[in-house]
Amino acid sequence: AQKITQTQPGMFVQEKEAVTLDCTYDTSDQSYGLFWYKQPSSGEMIFLIYQGSYDEQNATEGRYSLNFQKARKSANLVISASQLGDSAMYFCAMREGIFTSGTYKYIFGTGTRLKVLA
Amino acid sequence: GAGVSQSPRYKVAKRGQDVALRCDPISGHVSLFWYQQALGQGPEFLTYFQNEAQLDKSGLPSDRFFAERPEGSVSTLKIQRTQQEDSAVYLCASVGIREDEQFFGPGTRLTVL
Repeated sequence: AQKITQTQPGMFVQEKEAVTLDCTYDTSDQSYGLFWYKQPSSGEMIFLIYQGSYDEQNATEGRYSLNFQKARKSANLVISASQLGDSAMYFCAMREGIFTSGTYKYIFGTGTRLKVLA
Repeated sequence: GAGVSQSPRYKVAKRGQDVALRCDPISGHVSLFWYQQALGQGPEFLTYFQNEAQLDKSGLPSDRFFAERPEGSVSTLKIQRTQQEDSAVYLCASVGIREDEQFFGPGTRLTVL
């Protein structure tokens, strides 16, 4: 079973509008972390936002916010006021396991390609 | 340096050749991960080090893949007898005390002909 599921292979959004990228996850751990990364065509992985499983407030970083619904096991990324430079691949990832053990790992989804239209 | 660096950035190998990919993590970072990213896919976990200890190598696709981090800093991913299916971008990432961010290097794009 997929541990991280991103159901939208591609998305379009008009410049200046908001867009939501979906992510659901599956874990039996009580303590885990959820991440979103941006990967432009140049290839580098850029960290956007983090949500810890015990964090009660949704994480926000500038124009990025993470809509964390723990009971539904979803961690959607919301980008407000889209810009042309937001066009990229976006990956949702989960960190699970114990730091000092061999179970500690990050698992990535298959990504959503976002295209911002002028 | 300020970030994670990887070398070489691009590597072309003939099938059957051995290759070595280097990762310099952020100084002081305890955790180091290697990932393989095929075109159009997300990064796939290969192996994890905590300092010099390789705690998990379950993602290595075959015994042709070998990784080491002998002094707990620089790491090398070695692929022996490369095959065409090894063609991918190999990403290295390091994590410090704070677990809420994983810093990636620029990757090495390996093409096996």
